[in-house]
Amino acid sequence: QPVLTQSSSASASLGSSVKLTCTLSSGHSSYIIAWHQQQPGKAPRYLMKIEGSGTYNKGSGVPDRFSGSSSGADRYLTISNLQSEDEADYYCETRDSRVFGGGTKLTVL
Amino acid sequence: EVQLVESGGGLVQPGGSLRLSCAASGFTFSTYWMHWVRQAPGKGLVWVSRINSDGSSTSYADSVKGRFTISRDNAKNTLYLQMNSLRAEDTAVYYCARPIVGAKHVLTHWGQGTLVTVSS
Repeated sequence: QPVLTQSSSASASLGSSVKLTCTLSSGHSSYIIAWHQQQPGKAPRYLMKIEGSGTYNKGSGVPDRFSGSSSGADRYLTISNLQSEDEADYYCETRDSRVFGGGTKLTVL
Repeated sequence: EVQLVESGGGLVQPGGSLRLSCAASGFTFSTYWMHWVRQAPGKGLVWVSRINSDGSSTSYADSVKGRFTISRDNAKNTLYLQMNSLRAEDTAVYYCARPIVGAKHVLTHWGQGTLVTVSS
């Protein structure tokens, strides 16, 4: 059973960029992961899936400011030109959806 | 437009039961796996259960195995979660979620959630 590790918090300034990381545990570095955004008081929203190759596919309506990448066991979510509405919790998911990371709380300064 | 609408949450005493429903629309429900995911107050997302497209295969988190039962009615486009022997630690918002077509994973659509509170 893989484990997904995320930093508990991150912060960046309005208009800047931030890169969030989701790390797969040893032996699971090839797994596909998905990123989800959860704004305060709302349900999660699917952002994208990322393969081990770095190929990513975004969900419908996800702004171009959101992109994904991969390096080894790390899967990244990069948000450019940060907006106030990007302040949210971000979760990664893997292993037939049975495993979630602990989430990263992103603060936009 | 894909829509998932949960219902059935509420306040229940420890040891009690509750049945959650998730009404699906905007897609061919009978061709998708479906999941339940929960979120305790102030905590992260935790997977609870999943069921395959025809209901013949189910899986559960260890924390709910033997107490919760997932099922579906494809004629009614509805997913269910029967929760028995409820405990305080089951208090959470319960979301139903749909993965990508033909796969168990990558949850692309989520409902708005229904709150279950287990308390005396």
